[in-house]
Amino acid sequence: DVKVTQSSRYLVKRTGEKVFLECVQDMDHENMFWYRQDPGLGLRLIYFSYDVKMKEKGDIPEGYSVSREKKERFSLILESASTNQTSMYLCATSRDASNQPQHFGDGTRLSIL
Amino acid sequence: AQSVTQLDSQVPVFEEAPVELRCNYSSSVSVYLFWYVQYPNQGLQLLLKYLSGSTLVKGINGFEAEFNKSQTSFHLRKPSVHISDTAEYFCAVTGRSGNTGKLIFGQGTTLQVKP
Repeated sequence: DVKVTQSSRYLVKRTGEKVFLECVQDMDHENMFWYRQDPGLGLRLIYFSYDVKMKEKGDIPEGYSVSREKKERFSLILESASTNQTSMYLCATSRDASNQPQHFGDGTRLSIL
Repeated sequence: AQSVTQLDSQVPVFEEAPVELRCNYSSSVSVYLFWYVQYPNQGLQLLLKYLSGSTLVKGINGFEAEFNKSQTSFHLRKPSVHISDTAEYFCAVTGRSGNTGKLIFGQGTTLQVKP
């Protein structure tokens, strides 16, 4: 079974802080994804990575950056947190083929005060 | 580019009744289609997927979906629901070629099963 682990289930930070969300997978998957989930909006892709040190912007990258130094780890960084970044953040992984499903972590519920 | 529309944001249903959650997609290329389920305070789990072949796809927990190319739909069905099926359901699509496994998700449908 694929295991995708997000470092925190709940996180509370203050406006202006630099925030790191970590995601680790144990199945040697090439692709990794960061989404945010908001009521009524479904999942929106922030960034994804298809290889170590490679990254591509998703649909809503503004205010975020990512880092993938090792294949198993994909970090999402909020450079200067703002209240409109309060959300559920989900990490996912998949093998490198378009017919492969994505496997999700349990999510991090982030509150910015 | 692809897009997905889930036609109902909430579907209330009584236990043991049948249910259909509707999903329509738009794409200029051939697609793969997925349904995921999200239980409270958890990530998404794959319910079923359509890749090719038979248009009727069976998944876990008694769910099935039918791919209809002419109507660009991929509706999810279950003949008899249980309380434990209460969750949010997401339809997702990806193009068959020229992409890196990116999925486009619908807005989600909350299934509320009542006793």
